[in-house]
Amino acid sequence: ILNVEQSPQSLHVQEGDSTNFTCSFPSSNFYALHWYRWETAKSPEALFVMTLNGDEKKKGRISATLNTKEGYSYLYIKGSQPEDSATYLCAFTAYSGGGADGLTFGKGTHLIIQP
Amino acid sequence: DVKVTQSSRYLVKRTGEKVFLECVQDMDHENMFWYRQDPGLGLRLIYFSYDVKMKEKGDIPEGYSVSREKKERFSLILESASTNQTSMYLCASSTHHLPLLGTPIEQYFGPGTRLTVT
Repeated sequence: ILNVEQSPQSLHVQEGDSTNFTCSFPSSNFYALHWYRWETAKSPEALFVMTLNGDEKKKGRISATLNTKEGYSYLYIKGSQPEDSATYLCAFTAYSGGGADGLTFGKGTHLIIQP
Repeated sequence: DVKVTQSSRYLVKRTGEKVFLECVQDMDHENMFWYRQDPGLGLRLIYFSYDVKMKEKGDIPEGYSVSREKKERFSLILESASTNQTSMYLCASSTHHLPLLGTPIEQYFGPGTRLTVT
């Protein structure tokens, strides 16, 4: 079983502050690293998928970086807003020759933005 | 837009009952997945399917079975529900093709079914 770790487990951030959290994953047989946002009572929503070492992706105030050699990814949120409150999941896909495997998820970082 | 639907948002069943959780996707995706989500444990893969009538065990298949008779529908079956199967169940789907590096396969999720077994 692949090990995907996220830290911290939960985070309280004041509205307007910036924050970041970490996902670590196996560095061998790497294929892709996904970030999802999961709001209460909704489906997990894909934020980013990254495949190349050094990839950086940005969507509005949220961005992510990828280091496949050392096996970690950071998610950054700039100027946090209440609507950013959610659980952020990262998921790792290993390359298995004939096709990619299913996703292996971390336990998530539960982010609460305090007004 | 990809749409993945699940038959129920909330379900309450008794111990020992046979439970069916249904998932339907409308994007002609080859792959379908069932996960469960528990506090402190994250999303864990139960079963997945790469094609009609094909199934593969995930990380925690014990106590579950699946059925994929049609491409768009993937059912999770609890043969005899137990209290430790109380959980949030999520279905997902994705396309399947021989991947080129840089073309990862995105999974699309349904809204989840919160199952309580009493």
